Amino acid sequence: GAVVSQHPSRVICKSGTSVKIECRSLDFQATTMFWYRQFPKQSLMLMATSNEGSKATYEQGVEKDKFLINHASLTLSTLTVTSAHPEDSSFYICSLRSNTEAFFGQGTRLTVV
Amino acid sequence: KNQVEQSPQSLIILEGKNCTLQCNYTVSPFSNLRWYKQDTGRGPVSLTIMTFSENTKSNGRYTATLDADTKQSSLHITASQLSDSASYICVVGPYSSASKIIFGSGTRLSIRP
Repeated sequence: GAVVSQHPSRVICKSGTSVKIECRSLDFQATTMFWYRQFPKQSLMLMATSNEGSKATYEQGVEKDKFLINHASLTLSTLTVTSAHPEDSSFYICSLRSNTEAFFGQGTRLTVV
Repeated sequence: KNQVEQSPQSLIILEGKNCTLQCNYTVSPFSNLRWYKQDTGRGPVSLTIMTFSENTKSNGRYTATLDADTKQSSLHITASQLSDSASYICVVGPYSSASKIIFGSGTRLSIRP
């Protein structure tokens, strides 16, 4: 089955800096990838849908200028958290789907200090 | 409104005991229902997937049931082990490469020695 590789697994950055998270599909080509955010003891919340070769679709309330998504190839999508603030500290997870199954990356724990 | 509700929110049991987690949904149209296990600080990993016509499906010590008429599913864990400590998430929705899926808030299961 498909394997999703997400890096880094955890990152600590200073306020005001930017952080890039990579999500790679290792086993099949994904025209669509999904980015989620998860706060402690809560479920996954969809942030945006990443579309290969076109602009991402953002969920209501998610700032597209703050969470930059690039899906330049069928195997790689990146999420860049720009000008990070402590409230951006969270667990970020990418996902891709076949027709019947959803696969998730290992997640990235972002801590902004 | 499409919703997935899980109960209990958290559960503590002794190692070796059995437990049952519940999932009620109002998602329509319904294609399939999946249970995921999410270890702390990791992405969700699929346990079972059930389609509309399936009532029961097992994966080792995990057995999922589905009642499409009452829109209820359960996940039964037999002879629990310490490694079963995790969050269990019920996910419902039509699966295609770009459609949205609905996540339950999860049940946090703790196994005590």
